[in-house]
Amino acid sequence: NAGVTQTPKFRVLKTGQSMTLLCAQDMNHEYMYWYRQDPGMGLRLIHYSVGEGTTAKGEVPDGYNVSRLKKQNFLLGLESAAPSQTSVYFCASTSGIEGNTIYFGEGSWLTVV
Amino acid sequence: GQNIDQPTEMTATEGAIVQINCTYQTSGFNGLFWYQQHAGEAPTFLSYNVLDGLEEKGRFSSFLSRSKGYSYLLLKELQMKDSASYLCAAMDSNYQLIWGAGTKLIIKP
Repeated sequence: NAGVTQTPKFRVLKTGQSMTLLCAQDMNHEYMYWYRQDPGMGLRLIHYSVGEGTTAKGEVPDGYNVSRLKKQNFLLGLESAAPSQTSVYFCASTSGIEGNTIYFGEGSWLTVV
Repeated sequence: GQNIDQPTEMTATEGAIVQINCTYQTSGFNGLFWYQQHAGEAPTFLSYNVLDGLEEKGRFSSFLSRSKGYSYLLLKELQMKDSASYLCAAMDSNYQLIWGAGTKLIIKP
C-alpha cells in the first residue's frame, strides 16, 4: 500500500520556468490538499480538492494552478516559477469523514534560482 | 479570523515529561489533530480529539477543552527520538485544517 506518493522529490528550477508536481493516492480518498512549508511557519494551504473534477483556492494560491482530473491524482502547477516559491511542498489526502487521519506524501523540495 | 498558537520551541530532558500547549480559534470546530514531524520528513499522525477530555495512547496523551479552545500533547518517558516538531491543527466547520507553526522539541540527555 503506497499511500500518498509525490513526484519529483527534488527539483531545481530557473526563474520563469514552469513545472508540475504530481500527487497520487491509492486510498480512494475524496479530499486532497497541496501545502507549502517554509522555515518557522506552519503548513500553508495552496489549493485543495473535495472530489474528482473539483478544485478550490486555499490560503496562498497565487502563482499556482491545480487539476483533479482523476480521483487518485492531484497536480500542482507552477506557471512561472519565482524564487519566493522555493519551499517544501506536501500533498495530503483524507476520506473527509470526521476524524479520519490525514495522510501526507513525503514532500517535494523545490528550489527556484 | 482563524488562528492556532503554540510555543515555538521547548527543551526537555530524556526520561522526563513534557506538555505542549495549543490554543485555537476557528469558525466552527470539527476536531483537533496533533502531528509529529522530524526534520526533512513528512508529518505523521499522533492523535485526534473532538470531545473534551484526555485520550491516552502509549507514551503520548492528548487533551481537549472545547470551551477554552485549548489542547495539549503530553509526552512521557521522553526518548531522544522524540526530538521533532509537533504540529497542532484544528479542523473548522468546512473540514479545512488550520495549522499552527509547530513546536520544536529538543531532548537533552
